[in-house]
Amino acid sequence: SQTIHQWPATLVQPVGSPLSLECTVEGTSNPNLYWYRQAAGRGLQLLFYSVGIGQISSEVPQNLSASRPQDRQFILSSKKLLLSDSGFYLCAWSVQAGGHNEQFFGPGTRLTVL
Amino acid sequence: QKEVEQNSGPLSVPEGAIASLNCTYSDRGSQSFFWYRQYSGKSPELIMFIYSNGDKEDGRFTAQLNKASQYVSLLIRDSQPSDSATYLCAAPSGGSYIPTFGRGTSLIVHP
Repeated sequence: SQTIHQWPATLVQPVGSPLSLECTVEGTSNPNLYWYRQAAGRGLQLLFYSVGIGQISSEVPQNLSASRPQDRQFILSSKKLLLSDSGFYLCAWSVQAGGHNEQFFGPGTRLTVL
Repeated sequence: QKEVEQNSGPLSVPEGAIASLNCTYSDRGSQSFFWYRQYSGKSPELIMFIYSNGDKEDGRFTAQLNKASQYVSLLIRDSQPSDSATYLCAAPSGGSYIPTFGRGTSLIVHP
């Protein structure tokens, strides 16, 4: 069966510090991968998605970036965090073909920028 | 702007009642619809998806889709306090495989 991991689970960072969040998927090959952010009291905002190694599409211009160095690894980064980057960061995966593209979410990383 | 709209609630129902959660969408090209449950502080969990007009049942959950009226519903029968959560509706826009999520409806089931 497929599982998705995210780490760290929680993170408190000062403004201006760098960020690296990691997501890995097990039990499937060539998945679509997604990064979402959920701010307090708000909906899910799609940040990035990837259909393959090295292929990243950005949905929202901001100080965040994403990379996919391996088939089942997705990384979210920032060089300098802003207060507005606080939120619940969720990684998700979906199959590329043969389904209805239902997404499955990892446990999330709760980021607080102070 | 393709939108998925949900009443934020909270919807409060007594234990054992039927909870009815509704969602409307703006893109007539949407083909698949998803319901997620999100407990406070946790990530969303897929509980149902539907792509054909009519009803789809899975245990205590029934998803209903009406493409002509552009709405999708989730019914929870015999509601339990453990069903208290935020329910997110999602639908990809026509031509895209990436779903747009509604803001969610908060459900409270009281004993």
